[in-house]
Amino acid sequence: KNEVEQSPQNLTAQEGEFITINCSYSVGISALHWLQQHPGGGIVSLFMLSSGKKKHGRLIATINIQEKHSSLHITASHPRDSAVYICAVFNAGGTSYGKLTFGQGTILTVHP
Amino acid sequence: DSGVTQTPKHLITATGQRVTLRCSPRSGDLSVYWYQQSLDQGLQFLIQYYNGEERAKGNILERFSAQQFPDLHSELNLSSLELGDSALYFCASTMGQVGEQFFGPGTRLTVL
Repeated sequence: KNEVEQSPQNLTAQEGEFITINCSYSVGISALHWLQQHPGGGIVSLFMLSSGKKKHGRLIATINIQEKHSSLHITASHPRDSAVYICAVFNAGGTSYGKLTFGQGTILTVHP
Repeated sequence: DSGVTQTPKHLITATGQRVTLRCSPRSGDLSVYWYQQSLDQGLQFLIQYYNGEERAKGNILERFSAQQFPDLHSELNLSSLELGDSALYFCASTMGQVGEQFFGPGTRLTVL
């Protein structure tokens, strides 16, 4: 079992729909990162969070440390949101401190 | 534009050869991370440097090495290249040892 699991692996939506991508992890972490990777390959940081909830525009990220789970929500989805969304966790402490472990990514396609 | 630069953008070489990938972090950032993204493995953490010192090591092969120079730029050296080393190589930088990561555009390595 991977240390970081994302679901779903593929997601297709119609423009305007509310989207949720889930991330579960099995290791102790100091923080969690949500990343977006566009078809051209570039990676953009969306959020870094260690507790609670953060919001940027139509994007909302939440984390529940006790349940080792995070969600990324997109409200009013748009075709330009089509991308791969990657959850990554910063391992906590020891020799792995600073190491990022990645989920396998969720491929989101939003149709007009 | 994240402020992180990587050169070259593309690299095509033959098996057995050696290449050097270069990364310049954002101004003020002290940490540089290297990642490999291949089609079958997804994103994998290779190594992290902080202010010139190695701080965390991931799934980095013995044929690969890296260093961070006094001006904080970093180089990833890949030697005795194999077909399976073909991948996108990203670097990212953060101000501290752990923090929100800003990714460079990547170097696409093709080993023929």
